Amino acid sequence: QQQVKQSPQSLIVQKGGIPIINCAYENTAFDYFPWYQQFPGKGPALLIAIRPDVSEKKEGRFTISFNKSAKQFSLHIMDSQPGDSATYFCAAKKVSGTYKYIFGTGTRLKVLA
Amino acid sequence: GAGVSQSPRYKVAKRGQDVALRCDPISGHVSLFWYQQALGQGPEFLTYFQNEAQLDKSGLPSDRFFAERPEGSVSTLKIQRTQQEDSAVYLCASSGGVQGVFYEQYFGPGTRLTVT
Repeated sequence: QQQVKQSPQSLIVQKGGIPIINCAYENTAFDYFPWYQQFPGKGPALLIAIRPDVSEKKEGRFTISFNKSAKQFSLHIMDSQPGDSATYFCAAKKVSGTYKYIFGTGTRLKVLA
Repeated sequence: GAGVSQSPRYKVAKRGQDVALRCDPISGHVSLFWYQQALGQGPEFLTYFQNEAQLDKSGLPSDRFFAERPEGSVSTLKIQRTQQEDSAVYLCASSGGVQGVFYEQYFGPGTRLTVT
């Protein structure tokens, strides 16, 4: 019930393409869903996050789509650039009553120039 | 301002040695978290401090792992009698909020521990 399943494990796209990374969760008590970007040798950095009261959120080239009934959420990167090449993690937590983030296993994205 | 810093960035230990990993959180951040990130995996929660109080240590994998934050700022994660399975990146994160109140967590760069 605590798992967050992430796919695909790795992804290669051409510059300008729209990579999509998917996550699924089981615990319906989760109510905060962030995406993190991690470059080699660095800690994860927050990209964008969504609460379940909305179905989509955009920040710059990054969009989260959220499907509450399916318990799934996804990250779309518009007009991807080589500088977006990194590992992306989804996560989930309960905003109230707990502080633990449950992370997915990560997606290694490579954007070809 | 300065972010979360961790030291050392890399540590090689022989099996059976004790190690101590340090985390300097963002100044004024009340909450501090330790995570373990195995190669190719997402971070896994180890322990949580609110100020100097360790409120949750449920993720610590064994009694060889010990964390402290005596003055509510700097924290140390200690691993006794290291084993090869302890090899991982240890991430520290801090947050301005407290349990039950949401604030974003900011991660440090991690310490890569290799046990030979």
